[in-house]
Amino acid sequence: GQNIDQPTEMTATEGAIVQINCTYQTSGFNGLFWYQQHAGEAPTFLSYNVLDGLEEKGRFSSFLSRSKGYSYLLLKELQMKDSASYLCAASGGSYIPTFGRGTSLIVHP
Amino acid sequence: EADIYQTPRYLVIGTGKKITLECSQTMGHDKMYWYQQDPGMELHLIHYSYGVNSTEKGDLSSESTVSRIRTEHFPLTLESARPSHTSQYLCASSVRGEGYTFGSGTRLTVV
Repeated sequence: GQNIDQPTEMTATEGAIVQINCTYQTSGFNGLFWYQQHAGEAPTFLSYNVLDGLEEKGRFSSFLSRSKGYSYLLLKELQMKDSASYLCAASGGSYIPTFGRGTSLIVHP
Repeated sequence: EADIYQTPRYLVIGTGKKITLECSQTMGHDKMYWYQQDPGMELHLIHYSYGVNSTEKGDLSSESTVSRIRTEHFPLTLESARPSHTSQYLCASSVRGEGYTFGSGTRLTVV
């Protein structure tokens, strides 16, 4: 079976740094995805981690620890437009990711 | 500019009607997927395809069918719409090792 766990909601201040955590239990794990989804819109791809470590992509970074079944998405220099839901998805033996419910991030001035 | 297109964007239909949700992509991706998503909830896989003439069932497939006659086209059909089908339907495509590209979605309301 597969299970994804991430916080339901987080709030942060514009200009700050926020870390969104995700834990997963996936048979035959082969990768961890992060997506951003604004209200009423489709998800957009942010990152894909296969190996342990930190992958940096501009203001967004994603970390993976395969041994701990743990990932986080780090958002720096927060902007109001970063207010969205952030979906963690773990890919297993079928290479079809299982999605979590998402973390709703609210950025306030 | 979108590379994966879904139509219609919004649909209101009566109970018992047969409906087909369209999805087309221009990226030449072999893998395509249909997901259902209710507000604030996770995406649930309905059907997926690894290529032409290949279709597989996901978790919520029992009341719908798909076809993949051409690489670029992956329509989803509900044979008899029910109010419980009211939801957002998202089509996506991918290549192995990369993230999904999602369409804009079809928001379906069954009355």
